[in-house]
Amino acid sequence: KAGVTQTPRYLIKTRGQQVTLSCSPISGHRSVSWYQQTPGQGLQFLFEYFSETQRNKGNFPGRFSGRQFSNSRSEMNVSTLELGDSALYLCASSDGLAGRLFSYEQYFGPGTRLTVT
Amino acid sequence: SQQGEEDPQALSIQEGENATMNCSYKTSINNLQWYRQNSGRGLVHLILIRSNEREKHSGRLRVTLDTSKKSSSLLITASRAADTASYFCATDPSMNYGGSQGNLIFGKGTKLSVKP
Repeated sequence: KAGVTQTPRYLIKTRGQQVTLSCSPISGHRSVSWYQQTPGQGLQFLFEYFSETQRNKGNFPGRFSGRQFSNSRSEMNVSTLELGDSALYLCASSDGLAGRLFSYEQYFGPGTRLTVT
Repeated sequence: SQQGEEDPQALSIQEGENATMNCSYKTSINNLQWYRQNSGRGLVHLILIRSNEREKHSGRLRVTLDTSKKSSSLLITASRAADTASYFCATDPSMNYGGSQGNLIFGKGTKLSVKP
């Protein structure tokens, strides 16, 4: 099976612009989660989509949004970019089955390195 | 907020030695997972241990879980230079009904350096 793919791999934007990142999950996986990784805050959960619906959301401002398509591919959008949004954005896919009996094991893509100047 | 806290933050050893990393967490969990990240790349899943398990092995990896102390350890035996990476523990917190919260909570990681 092909792994999780993310595009683009690198991106440079200026403050005030908006950006869209894309993630294609492993075939058959219906859940896509997004994480932001910075040296100061570490890995922080942004949101999770399952079957085109946002199922969980982390503690990020409304400038961060996402969506999922019927083929499970997901996009995340950041509007009005700030310098502090510079980070590695990681996408992870899983089968999305939550509950005591299931593992919620996640498979990560290589990430998109966003630099805001 | 960070649930898992890894200890130590950095570890430097020689090839062939064993490396032990510890993780502590705060809430009840369904499972705890360990991931490896090479230099700013994506995370690779290493091993998952469920809350009703105490120890698990996978190749050179051994993970223990003590739910009474809310702690876990990852042991890498006979380390190699290729093991140089950051290691993260991630918890799947359980809800009151026993189900999953639906997202993993990561610690800040242990940076392991294995010198040849």
